[in-house]
Formats: sequence, structure tokens, C-alpha cells
Amino acid sequence: KQEVTQIPAALSVPEGENLVLNCSFTDSAIYNLQWFRQDPGKGLTSLLLIQSSQREQTSGRLNASLDKSSGRSTLYIAASQPGDSATYLCAVNSDYKLSFGAGTTVTVRA
Amino acid sequence: GAGVSQSPSNKVTEKGKDVELRCDPISGHTALYWYRQSLGQGLEFLIYFQGNSAPDKSGLPSDRFSAERTGGSVSTLTIQRTQQEDSAVYLCASSLNRASTSSYNEQFFGPGTRLTVL
Repeated sequence: KQEVTQIPAALSVPEGENLVLNCSFTDSAIYNLQWFRQDPGKGLTSLLLIQSSQREQTSGRLNASLDKSSGRSTLYIAASQPGDSATYLCAVNSDYKLSFGAGTTVTVRA
Repeated sequence: GAGVSQSPSNKVTEKGKDVELRCDPISGHTALYWYRQSLGQGLEFLIYFQGNSAPDKSGLPSDRFSAERTGGSVSTLTIQRTQQEDSAVYLCASSLNRASTSSYNEQFFGPGTRLTVL
């Protein structure tokens, strides 16, 4: 069974700092990995999708890396803003179903 | 275009009643998924549809849970004889197809249905 761990569980930074969110998974036989954002009381917003053959994916201030062999992915958010405050979830796709980490709750202080 | 929609957004029911939750996937998406998000268990997979068939029902927690999909589009998740432990947010997602090497299997989620069983 795929186990996904996210560290840290919570993170508080001043505005402008770069954010580094970590995700690890136990089974390297994955199809892809998605990073999501969840605001309180809302659904999941897909941020980035990295296919198993890719090492990196970028969208604006967001950059995600994937090291499948070591079972790790990292989400970088550059120049954080208060609007980036949310819970970030890592999800690993092993044969179509997603296995989720518990998330990292980010607070960006103005 | 329109995203995944779910109804109702909130549902409060009494223990022992049956409930139906509805999901409308993104038009043209052949794959549909149900997940559950609860405080104690995090986000967990329930069931997957490809077209109208459900090749994987492994995540359904008990035989009180069932789901169907008609016309390759709308799906309904039914919970019979609800229990307090069924209280959670039920999330639906869809993707274009399930080809393992395709870039089109990104999953897009709806806003969820918050179920409260009293």
C-alpha cells in the first residue's frame, strides 16, 4: 500500500520568503504526482502535475521536483504572499487512484 | 469551461437514513473518482469509474456504500442506513482518461459535499 508523508505539518513564514514543502512516498512505481491546494471549507485545486518520467514542473512562482527512485517530491513557492496561505496536499497516482499525504498548512504573515 | 460540480453542498441527516450524493464531471472526462475526507482518516479513495463501469470499488468502507454512473457522465454515491462515522466531506474528481502514460490523467476535483450524520 502506498504511504505518503508530508513534512512539515505546518509552516509559518513572513511575506516574501520562499516556501519549501516536502513529500515522500514508499512505492516508487507511480504514474504521476499531483500537488493540490485546499482552502478552508473548499475543494482541491490542482497546482502541478508531474509525470513519472519528468524531474521538474513549473507554473509561475511554483516549481515542483520529483525524484521517483528515492520517493520524494518538493514543492517550492517563490516570494510567498498572504494569499498563498492554505493547506498544500501531495498526491501520488499509482494505477489511477490517488494516495494523499496529510498536508502542510501554510501561513504567510503580512 | 465548467468544472466538476457536486450537490448538495451540505447534507445533514439523522442516523439510519439513506442519502444520495451527486457528481457531475467535466464534460468529456471518461474517468470519475469518489474520495472521502474526514478528520481522522485524511483523504481516502472510495471508488473509480471508467465510463459506466467501476473496475475498482476497493475503497468503499462497507456494503452500505454504493455508487453508480449513468451515460458515462453523472454519478451518484448512495449511503444506506447512515452512521455517525460516515460524517465527512465527500469529494468527486474526474480525468480525461486513465492511460498510464498520458498527460491527460490529471484529476480535477469538485467542491465536495459535507455530510453530517446526527
